Amino acid sequence: GAVVSQHPSWVICKSGTSVKIECRSLDFQATTMFWYRQFPKQSLMLMATSNEGSKATYEQGVEKDKFLINHASLTLSTLTVTSAHPEDSSFYICSASTGVNHEQYFGPGTRLTVT
Amino acid sequence: SQQGEEDPQALSIQEGENATMNCSYKTSINNLQWYRQNSGRGLVHLILIRSNEREKHSGRLRVTLDTSKKSSSLLITASRAADTASYFCATDLANQAGTALIFGKGTTLSVSS
Repeated sequence: GAVVSQHPSWVICKSGTSVKIECRSLDFQATTMFWYRQFPKQSLMLMATSNEGSKATYEQGVEKDKFLINHASLTLSTLTVTSAHPEDSSFYICSASTGVNHEQYFGPGTRLTVT
Repeated sequence: SQQGEEDPQALSIQEGENATMNCSYKTSINNLQWYRQNSGRGLVHLILIRSNEREKHSGRLRVTLDTSKKSSSLLITASRAADTASYFCATDLANQAGTALIFGKGTTLSVSS
């Protein structure tokens, strides 16, 4: 149990376009989902925290108008990278929590390449 | 900002040797977890140690936690080439269930046969 999926697993897009990444909890309800970004050879950095039915909380330095997060249901959160630039190329990983305990379940990640 | 700091940043050993990685953190925690990440892939959860635990074992893995020093170590015994990966410690905030994990910078382990 406790499986989190991400779609797509990789995507290539052109500068200026928008890309949507989905994060789904497949066998549990996730009251909270987290979005992380990982640049090559670096660690994961938290971008935002998303609670179902409410606005996401963004970390300092993360543009909320550029990285749109929607957590419309207890099993789905989406991250939309708007007006993508090459510097947005990164590995985006989501995780989901039931909020009941301190365990989080990570998705397999989405590799975004902006050309 | 990142809470965990691992050392060493990179470690190269021969198969059969033991690998030890250390992690330090800054604030009170509820749990500390270790993850493995193969190049370009997602995270694999290795082990979770709670703040009231001092040592935990799982197969060839041994994790220690010293809350007084705010540090943890991960020992991989009898390493294999397949253990080659990056290893990250991650902490959550005490008394706040459902909070994000804060990752350390990671240790890149290379095991040669």
